[in-house]
Amino acid sequence: DAMVIQNPRYQVTQFGKPVTLSCSQTLNHNVMYWYQQKSSQAPKLLFHYYDKDFNNEADTPDNFQSRRPNTSFCFLDIRSPGLGDAAMYLCATSSPSGTGLGETQYFGPGTRLLVL
Amino acid sequence: GNSVTQMEGPVTLSEEAFLTINCTYTATGYPSLFWYVQYPGEGLQLLLKATKADDKGSNKGFEATYRKETTSFHLEKGSVQVSDSAVYFCALTDYGGSQGNLIFGKGTKLSVKP
Repeated sequence: DAMVIQNPRYQVTQFGKPVTLSCSQTLNHNVMYWYQQKSSQAPKLLFHYYDKDFNNEADTPDNFQSRRPNTSFCFLDIRSPGLGDAAMYLCATSSPSGTGLGETQYFGPGTRLLVL
Repeated sequence: GNSVTQMEGPVTLSEEAFLTINCTYTATGYPSLFWYVQYPGEGLQLLLKATKADDKGSNKGFEATYRKETTSFHLEKGSVQVSDSAVYFCALTDYGGSQGNLIFGKGTKLSVKP
């Protein structure tokens, strides 16, 4: 089945120690997104790639970076995690139809990050 | 800017009760509207969507109608089950930028008791 895969499901890191979360997709979608979701809150968009074009949200901290080496994979790098970065990180994909109508975003299961 | 407002939870219902979760939006232009569901410890799943006024999205017994005159997209289900217990997010696609980004409401937690 075509899907969005995130590994690992749970990640523990230490304060200030760089960490990378990964996302892969078999949907062949152009667009990949990274969201941060803190407890009992709505997901917040960090950035997205449209093919190789990177689009950062204005309020995303510099501590968060992303890489997309090919269509299938996208990585979220947190350079120096703080306690406030503990959250669920969700990857999503979509495939723009060019019609201007709402393309569905397909989400992975998320990676829950714990910062000690 | 564009925004989504959902009724605050948690909502607790007995099995087979009728469910309504209110959602209203503020948007320029003609956004598409979505309901996503998040089961405990999991990612978001698309429940249903509507892309233009008066469209009705439906899935798994859930329905929502895109009402432009009242800027609403309320989620309804005639008879809930314990397995419907989850957090429900209303969202719209914001085309203010180069790509349609989802703007979510804060989510409504639903608990269904046997």
